[in-house]
Amino acid sequence: EDKVVQSPLSLVVHEGDTVTLNCSYEVTNFRSLLWYKQEKKAPTFLFMLTSSGIEKKSGRLSSILDKKELFSILNITATQTGDSAIYLCALETTSGTYKYIFGTGTRLKVLA
Amino acid sequence: DGGITQSPKYLFRKEGQNVTLSCEQNLNHDAMYWYRQDPGQGLRLIYYSQIVNDFQKGDIAEGYSVSREKKESFPLTVTSAQKNPTAFYLCASSIGRNQPQHFGDGTRLSIL
Repeated sequence: EDKVVQSPLSLVVHEGDTVTLNCSYEVTNFRSLLWYKQEKKAPTFLFMLTSSGIEKKSGRLSSILDKKELFSILNITATQTGDSAIYLCALETTSGTYKYIFGTGTRLKVLA
Repeated sequence: DGGITQSPKYLFRKEGQNVTLSCEQNLNHDAMYWYRQDPGQGLRLIYYSQIVNDFQKGDIAEGYSVSREKKESFPLTVTSAQKNPTAFYLCASSIGRNQPQHFGDGTRLSIL
């Protein structure tokens, strides 16, 4: 059965800290791995990863994929209170048709 | 501005009643999806559609029905057979494979 597991489930840090969020997976037909940020309502897209070892970066956020060990990490440096959100990891899988499988998310709270 | 519109934002269902959640997109995306989000459970796929007049069941389709008569629209009906409908419902769309999903702002459904 296809599965996506995120850890930790929740995390509380102080402004300026660096955090690392984990996403491990078991998927039959891997196509891509995506990270989203959900603050109140609609998740917003952060990164899409398809190849191992290539870091994607956007400001203070970065992410990398390891297709051999079947995991991805999302790093946030110099955290700010605006980074407080649920971070969702999703796998795109193709088994005839394609669809996305989401993890449970990591709830991050950044304290001032 | 292109985007996904979900309505209503809040919905209350009486015992034995069917209710329909609206999802409209003007992004010209082929694929559309419905997810249910419960606390601590991430996003679970209810139904998805990759082209007009075609849709597939997701992981938790029981008690739900959909239609895809137009490219722009993918309404979700929560039937009386769904015994625990209280949740946050998110609609998403994507242009195709290997592309991120765009999400609506969600509908929060509660039982009266």
